[in-house]
Amino acid sequence: DTEVTQTPKHLVMGMTNKKSLKCEQHMGHRAMYWYKQKAKKPPELMFVYSYEKLSINESVPSRFSPECPNSSLLNLHLHALQPEDSALYLCASSQTVNTEAFFGQGTRLTVV
Amino acid sequence: GESVGLHLPTLSVQEGDNSIINCAYSNSASDYFIWYKQESGKGPQFIIDIRSNMDKRQGQRVTVLLNKTVKHLSLQIAATQPGDSAVYFCAENYDKIIFGKGTRLHILP
Repeated sequence: DTEVTQTPKHLVMGMTNKKSLKCEQHMGHRAMYWYKQKAKKPPELMFVYSYEKLSINESVPSRFSPECPNSSLLNLHLHALQPEDSALYLCASSQTVNTEAFFGQGTRLTVV
Repeated sequence: GESVGLHLPTLSVQEGDNSIINCAYSNSASDYFIWYKQESGKGPQFIIDIRSNMDKRQGQRVTVLLNKTVKHLSLQIAATQPGDSAVYFCAENYDKIIFGKGTRLHILP
């Protein structure tokens, strides 16, 4: 099983809403990542968790709040987003931080 | 096949020919490199990787070459097929995976 599962696949939210994106993997990977991808651009790293601890925050605004409840799950809590935050949000996992990462299919987020 | 310059956004290749996609990386401390394929509406898919102690690695129909002297990577796809149409990203990894700009591969019938 080399699958990273993201839910929901699509999300439309208002600027005053609070929502969460979820990511799950059962490969025993100890590193998990959130990326943001705008159209026709490469994925941009947001956060890295290593052994369930936040190891990298790429100066992401506080309206994005990551959480790693256990080694299989990664959440991204969203609050007071702006329309420019609309993008494809990708989750990935890898055995450790310096090994191949597997990506989920992403959540297409639209902020209205 | 067609060799392209660095950072070319689109590469058009005849079906059956070989494709060569190039990439420059920025951090001389990077010691691990990955090529990803991304089809429309999907997440990036791992193709092949290479560590800095190697200069060539082969997979099924794909070969990655690494030139550390000039900080350059290439991905060679043999006998390109319609299913190879996608955007290809190189990524470098030192303590985090950072993606390059990407090249769209377009297959001509």
